[in-house]
Amino acid sequence: GAGVSQSPSNKVTEKGKDVELRCDPISGHTALYWYRQSLGQGLEFLIYFQGNSAPDKSGLPSDRFSAERTGGSVSTLTIQRTQQEDSAVYLCASSLASAQGRYGYTFGSGTRLTVV
Amino acid sequence: GEDVEQSLFLSVREGDSSVINCTYTDSSSTYLYWYKQEPGAGLQLLTYIFSNMDMKQDQRLTVLLNKKDKHLSLRIADTQTGDSAIYFCAESIRDDYKLSFGAGTTVTVRA
Repeated sequence: GAGVSQSPSNKVTEKGKDVELRCDPISGHTALYWYRQSLGQGLEFLIYFQGNSAPDKSGLPSDRFSAERTGGSVSTLTIQRTQQEDSAVYLCASSLASAQGRYGYTFGSGTRLTVV
Repeated sequence: GEDVEQSLFLSVREGDSSVINCTYTDSSSTYLYWYKQEPGAGLQLLTYIFSNMDMKQDQRLTVLLNKKDKHLSLRIADTQTGDSAIYFCAESIRDDYKLSFGAGTTVTVRA
């Protein structure tokens, strides 16, 4: 697609429920990243994909968080048994090969998750 | 972004220049970036500078890089209300795949 698309744009869920967040990167971008932006905070790295593999999952906060990527394209971030501290904006970005270079990342508009 | 630091807030009068500062710690940075985030939106790449450059100008934007002090700045000339946003500094490091971001500077433009 022309840009990075994320869905849903907003999600309100009850504590304890599972949620799935979707990211559709730019066609041809092999690298895909998930970040979390909490209120008043910077960007917290969650996970990096190169193709369908995730060489770096070090930023996932707990085992309630998982992510997958299929066909070298769409990625899904799943949060199980959501907690109030999971409330944040989840940003997806993609890039050619890696972040090196003048283009950096292209970000989606994010999914605002609110756990009540 | 513990390796990239920015001041959190900047208030500027419309028509004045804004200067947003950033410091980083990794001397093997290759590219440094400025991203802009408007309310409710994702981050948009504003400009970048390659690490062997000292300055880059792009219309109202001027980026200055001091490699010795590991200091990066973004100057916005003739600041407009549409420039109100959060500005993130980021660096890419040789042989690393991801960018490191600062916490972001919230710029408020007042009339």
